Amino acid sequence: SAVISQKPSRDICQRGTSLTIQCQVDSQVTMMFWYRQQPGQSLTLIATANQGSEATYESGFVIDKFPISRPNLTFSTLTVSNMSPEDSSIYLCSVDAGQGNTEAFFGQGTRLTVV
Amino acid sequence: LAKTTQPISMDSYEGQEVNITCSHNNIATNDYITWYQQFPSQGPRFIIQGYKTKVTNEVASLFIPADRKSSTLSLPRVSLSDTAVYYCLVGSYSGGGADGLTFGKGTHLIIQP
Repeated sequence: SAVISQKPSRDICQRGTSLTIQCQVDSQVTMMFWYRQQPGQSLTLIATANQGSEATYESGFVIDKFPISRPNLTFSTLTVSNMSPEDSSIYLCSVDAGQGNTEAFFGQGTRLTVV
Repeated sequence: LAKTTQPISMDSYEGQEVNITCSHNNIATNDYITWYQQFPSQGPRFIIQGYKTKVTNEVASLFIPADRKSSTLSLPRVSLSDTAVYYCLVGSYSGGGADGLTFGKGTHLIIQP
């Protein structure tokens, strides 16, 4: 299993500003994933982050808006840039369970409110 | 990735068995069926996974018919704490793990006293 810590757990931000969300895993993992969950909705994959390479973004998400860092095998950050109220969501970090295992583990999420 | 269809919501009572069915008509040969549970203000939590027939663990059972076009998550003797959203996911995964998951709308299960 993997234990994932996300910071901050929640924040209220002014429109036009940026927020960086941190994700720390208690073990080394190859791939880390970032999801967004809008109020009352399901999860949507934003991007996949491999250590040492640029993140791969899903359709509808771009690097300028959601830059991601992956400096090592246990840590990643997601920045929500130039925020607007439409960015108010829960952002979740996730990792897979490793070779041959298809279970995924999720952090508690970061609840972002943009005012 | 195969699309999944689940009931939007279900109600039941404590002590009952709850069965949530998921349709996945376009499931591919390499696809697994995985269920996650999500409580408010928490990330999803893996419940169970299967490929065919029946899988059982300490939390739930998963029934998959021979054609694999549907699956049923069975929760025995539910309690109030089982109130959550349950997601059915279908997909094949690389040897290195999940390629990112595609979540459907999920089923909001409400357990009443």
